[in-house]
Amino acid sequence: EPEVTQTPSHQVTQMGQEVILRCVPISNHLYFYWYRQILGQKVEFLVSFYNNEISEKSEIFDDQFSVERPDGSNFTLKIRSTKLEDSAMYFCASMLAEVGGELFFGEGSRLTVL
Amino acid sequence: AQTVTQSQPEMSVQEAETVTLSCTYDTSENNYYLFWYKQPPSRQMILVIRQEAYKQQNATENRFSVNFQKAAKSFSLKISDSQLGDTAMYFCAFMKHGYGGSQGNLIFGKGTKLSVKP
Repeated sequence: EPEVTQTPSHQVTQMGQEVILRCVPISNHLYFYWYRQILGQKVEFLVSFYNNEISEKSEIFDDQFSVERPDGSNFTLKIRSTKLEDSAMYFCASMLAEVGGELFFGEGSRLTVL
Repeated sequence: AQTVTQSQPEMSVQEAETVTLSCTYDTSENNYYLFWYKQPPSRQMILVIRQEAYKQQNATENRFSVNFQKAAKSFSLKISDSQLGDTAMYFCAFMKHGYGGSQGNLIFGKGTKLSVKP
């Protein structure tokens, strides 16, 4: 069964460093998302991406964040200069093309900022 | 702004018994979707069940069913004949109706950790 895959599963970085989290969505899906979950808190929407551009972003998704789909298969989240509060589990998701449809999630990438 | 509240951080149930997980939400939207996602330990979230707000009939998927009360803004999940494999974190989520890129923004509750005991 097709799956959304994410790498790395865990990354430890120093504050101020750039981090790129990678995702391979399900191949025929058209909508792509990043969510994050700070330990003990809710899963929060960061950004949605459709037709090669950002469709919607939350207030969390500030100028330090960017997303890209560089080669038609990978979908990346870049954090330019990490802060301690960026430590979280980051989930990638994709959706086919259906109003109110099912999102398929990856297993997540745990980011620890020291 | 929409909010989703799950008031039960943890629950447990004996195998083969029935358990109900609670979820309430707040929205001014009239057209939206509600979901229950399951996240087993160290695995990805998967969809358990989905409800369209304009449908009065409660959604069912095998052993999983919902009690959707639109006026009360309540969306509880009932698991019948609980199995050990049902042990997981369960998230209730809200999505407002939209088209194209304006959909997929799920608002999640904090989750309920369900343990099924043998």
